[in-house]
Amino acid sequence: DAKTTQPPSMDCAEGRAANLPCNHSTISGNEYVYWYRQIHSQGPQYIIHGLKNNETNEMASLIITEDRKSSTLILPHATLRDTAVYYCIVRATNDYKLSFGAGTTVTVRA
Amino acid sequence: DTAVSQTPKYLVTQMGNDKSIKCEQNLGHDTMYWYKQDSKKFLKIMFSYNNKELIINETVPNRFSPKSPDKAHLNLHINSLELGDSAVYFCASSQVAGGDTQYFGPGTRLTVL
Repeated sequence: DAKTTQPPSMDCAEGRAANLPCNHSTISGNEYVYWYRQIHSQGPQYIIHGLKNNETNEMASLIITEDRKSSTLILPHATLRDTAVYYCIVRATNDYKLSFGAGTTVTVRA
Repeated sequence: DTAVSQTPKYLVTQMGNDKSIKCEQNLGHDTMYWYKQDSKKFLKIMFSYNNKELIINETVPNRFSPKSPDKAHLNLHINSLELGDSAVYFCASSQVAGGDTQYFGPGTRLTVL
């Protein structure tokens, strides 16, 4: 019952921007787009979330299309420490849980 | 100054034993969660407590019993451990129950032999 579709894996060169796509074509009006990542053997780490406007914080930028059916997480200058599984999650404001899919395994190469 | 902490980090035990995993958060959050990550790496919610009251129980066997002595703690007790219980268990917390950002602990890797 995954609400999002992500590529299973992608590579990125160190120092370059990493653009991670996510499709959520059935997203509802009250659902936010959340991004988490999980570095090997660690707990999931919150990155960013948004409803319809683009968002930026110290870790990343989130670009949501106008129809909200897809989004892109941008890591502006990827480092080796950004190698992780990245999860795009759609979640309603009254939803208690996070529903994780398979995510995208991002490998940053020197 | 760890926000969400879990003990132990690793737990190896025999089938049939009873074990507990402890979780503590120092963020002042009202809601805490337990997630399970199996060998295929899928993360699934197990339980959620808000202000010490159970609000989510996702069809988890009743061998699993969460206990929340106070808002800052949510422990997971597992009776009669089975091989299939081997997984990584993550605790998380959020300020409020619905739609709020969740912050995860480092995980407890449980191995049942």
